[in-house]
Amino acid sequence: AQTVTQSQPEMSVQEAETVTLSCTYDTSESDYYLFWYKQPPSRQMILVIRQEAYKQQNATENRFSVNFQKAAKSFSLKISDSQLGDAAMYFCAYNRGKLIFGQGTELSVKP
Amino acid sequence: DAGITQSPRHKVTETGTPVTLRCHQTENHRYMYWYRQDPGHGLRLIHYSYGVKDTDKGEVSDGYSVSRSKTEDFLLTLESATSSQTSVYFCAISAFTSGFTDTQYFGPGTRLTVL
Repeated sequence: AQTVTQSQPEMSVQEAETVTLSCTYDTSESDYYLFWYKQPPSRQMILVIRQEAYKQQNATENRFSVNFQKAAKSFSLKISDSQLGDAAMYFCAYNRGKLIFGQGTELSVKP
Repeated sequence: DAGITQSPRHKVTETGTPVTLRCHQTENHRYMYWYRQDPGHGLRLIHYSYGVKDTDKGEVSDGYSVSRSKTEDFLLTLESATSSQTSVYFCAISAFTSGFTDTQYFGPGTRLTVL
């Protein structure tokens, strides 16, 4: 069965600095999607970034980028120039017909 | 932002009463989902729908039923609410592309408290 693991329950970053959140997953499939979702205190689940497994190029969305290592089954999220509004719970997720979430990483941003 | 609304956004009810939560989408997506989110459990799938009147169970479906009579609406019903169903409920939608479902977009959530 597919699993998603986020090994960092909590992370902290200084405002304007860069932080990387880790995610690993387990699958025997070759075609799938990977996502990072952000959940701020409002509890809204917000899509941050999407990666298609058959694309080697790492996805980017403004200050957010991923390091997708398919062979290693690793999918980390890098947040550059961190802002106070980036403080939230971040979930890594795998999708191949069923969306499977990691347990989340709570990110705090220090002013 | 994906056009997904949930109603009500907050509800307090008593044990044993029926409760219906509504999810409405304006994206015409084929797939709709209901999740619950509890501390220590992340998001867990309750039921999902892959078309009008086509639904299936998720991993925590006991005590819940769903209905989808129109593409845009997906209802979640707690026939007789229990305190263990106190949770935050999220609706999600997705399109179907490339042989399986694509990105899921989430509604704002409904906080349900069962006393």
